[in-house]
Amino acid sequence: QKEVEQDPGPLSVPEGAIVSLNCTYSNSAFQYFMWYRQYSRKGPELLMYTYSSGNKEDGRFTAQVDKSSKYISLFIRDSQPSDSATYLCAMSAGVTGGGNKLTFGTGTQLKVEL
Amino acid sequence: DGGITQSPKYLFRKEGQNVTLSCEQNLNHDAMYWYRQDPGQGLRLIYYSQIVNDFQKGDIAEGYSVSREKKESFPLTVTSAQKNPTAFYLCASRGQGPDTQYFGPGTRLTVL
Repeated sequence: QKEVEQDPGPLSVPEGAIVSLNCTYSNSAFQYFMWYRQYSRKGPELLMYTYSSGNKEDGRFTAQVDKSSKYISLFIRDSQPSDSATYLCAMSAGVTGGGNKLTFGTGTQLKVEL
Repeated sequence: DGGITQSPKYLFRKEGQNVTLSCEQNLNHDAMYWYRQDPGQGLRLIYYSQIVNDFQKGDIAEGYSVSREKKESFPLTVTSAQKNPTAFYLCASRGQGPDTQYFGPGTRLTVL
């Protein structure tokens, strides 16, 4: 079993829909949680960062972390065709994890259609 | 303009050759990382360096080598010992504070 599980999709939604992307994990030492957006043939771009449990909102994006369930989510409101990309979750145990290494999910491919 | 640059964008290699991928950052970050990305497998850590003149193996270091002689630079050599080198290679860096890493644009290596 992988440390981080993420549905690869593809996920196809109409423009304006609310998108929910999720990851589950097994390592209870993870305390830093990130979401990256990656367009085709480009490097990942950091979207959201959350420490420990709770919610964080930035414009149309909301990140949620539920450490008790080992479950994180990214919500995208009013989705746009420009949101079409692969979304990667990533998490870290911090310096105690050795080198602040990130563990990534495999990514969910999202397509927002007109 | 601060950021991470990788070169070349595309690289073709014949079997048996060593090739070196460049990664430079002007963010004044101490830590730098090399990942490999394959379809359906996500990002896998090859090597990382937390400070100049020091580096550690990641999860898939076999067939790769690195150096960290300058804070700004962290080149990756893909040696002929790497059995399946065709992949998308990503370099990242991390500064002080949160565990967030910032990525370069990537190098796509193809072995002919």
